[in-house]
Amino acid sequence: GNSVTQMEGPVTLSEEAFLTINCTYTATGYPSLFWYVQYPGEGLQLLLKATKADDKGSNKGFEATYRKETTSFHLEKGSVQVSDSAVYFCALVKDSSYKLIFGSGTRLLVRP
Amino acid sequence: SQTIHQWPATLVQPVGSPLSLECTVEGTSNPNLYWYRQAAGRGLQLLFYSVGIGQISSEVPQNLSASRPQDRQFILSSKKLLLSDSGFYLCAWRRRDNSPLHFGNGTRLTVT
Repeated sequence: GNSVTQMEGPVTLSEEAFLTINCTYTATGYPSLFWYVQYPGEGLQLLLKATKADDKGSNKGFEATYRKETTSFHLEKGSVQVSDSAVYFCALVKDSSYKLIFGSGTRLLVRP
Repeated sequence: SQTIHQWPATLVQPVGSPLSLECTVEGTSNPNLYWYRQAAGRGLQLLFYSVGIGQISSEVPQNLSASRPQDRQFILSSKKLLLSDSGFYLCAWRRRDNSPLHFGNGTRLTVT
């Protein structure tokens, strides 16, 4: 079946460090891929998305590239800020499916 | 533009009491609607989804039920709450394609 696997957290970084949060997926066909972010006490917000292989989604300095050959969608940011501290969720959806499949989430803590 | 409203933001209820959480979507028609639960420190669990008025699919057996009395209204209910029902409940909607989910701000439910 379809599934999403994320690296376990928490990930603790110093401000201005480089961030990578790994995400791999299992799915037949060509799913669309998403990263969501959840700030403390809030709902989830869409951070970025990619709908086909080799697409790069980007937003707020974050990037992720849809790699079909490695079935991955790793999230990266060149220089994190304290305000980036949150939980990040990777997710996929397939055409004609009603449901998004989420990873378990990765908590990021950025220290000043 | 589309918006999603979810209330209340927080709720404290005794064991055995009833529950009703409401979610409404504005600015779109015929959306797919979803209820997710996030237990403390855990990922997202899909509870219910709906593709139309009166059409509810349950993902996991549980003490909760859902209803969709109107096109853009989705209600999560329980007749008698359990301690294990405590968590963060998120309503979400999306269009009928491989588009992203859009989440409400969530309701934090504490059953005492």
